[in-house]
Amino acid sequence: QSALTQPASVSGSPGQSITISCTGTSSDVGGYNYVSWYQQHPGKVPKLMIYDVSNRPSGVSNRFSGSKSGNTASLTISGLQAEDEADYYCSSYTSSSTWVFGGGTRLTVL
Amino acid sequence: EVQLVESGGGLVQPGGSLRLSCVVSGFTFSNYWMSWVRQAPGKGLEWLANIKQDGSEKYYVDSVKGRFTISRDNAKNSMYLQMNSLRAEDTAVYYCARDYGGNDYWGQGTRVTVSS
Repeated sequence: QSALTQPASVSGSPGQSITISCTGTSSDVGGYNYVSWYQQHPGKVPKLMIYDVSNRPSGVSNRFSGSKSGNTASLTISGLQAEDEADYYCSSYTSSSTWVFGGGTRLTVL
Repeated sequence: EVQLVESGGGLVQPGGSLRLSCVVSGFTFSNYWMSWVRQAPGKGLEWLANIKQDGSEKYYVDSVKGRFTISRDNAKNSMYLQMNSLRAEDTAVYYCARDYGGNDYWGQGTRVTVSS
């Protein structure tokens, strides 16, 4: 039940696109299409941004998209905006019928 | 409006116990798996446990297995986390969350501090 691997930080300028990776194993990310992404602003509750690899909940901007290749999932944010600055976490279902989060990525909008 | 409200956190000594509660409203509680997730100060999210709609299946992360017990009472729209043998490293904000395509609704969290 090791945490999924995410870069500690990424940055981008307004209007640019960034991608955050989330690497696991064939027992979690690679084995199931149950990868979710969460946005968390400082002091706030996590918010679901992407579920089942690439689906957006109602109300989430279409600037957010998800994908997966092998054991690595990715979150892409296009048209970067100041309010996108936050921590982002991936999560995956595992072969133990549990869930595991990534370590989190701090997104800085320059 | 969907609401999840946690309670029961506080300061407890190492080795002590606490029981967290999560009361929900705005949706049919008995139709959903539910989870507990925690976040230590300045750290990331950690999934702890979840429970099936009827309570017949429960799963735990290894770090709390044997110490924490998840349960629910559908008649009371409530979920619980019994935490025993608490350690300093259990200090965190504890969130309850609904399981639907990931965790789509979260409570505001309840803070647990384990310290002597």
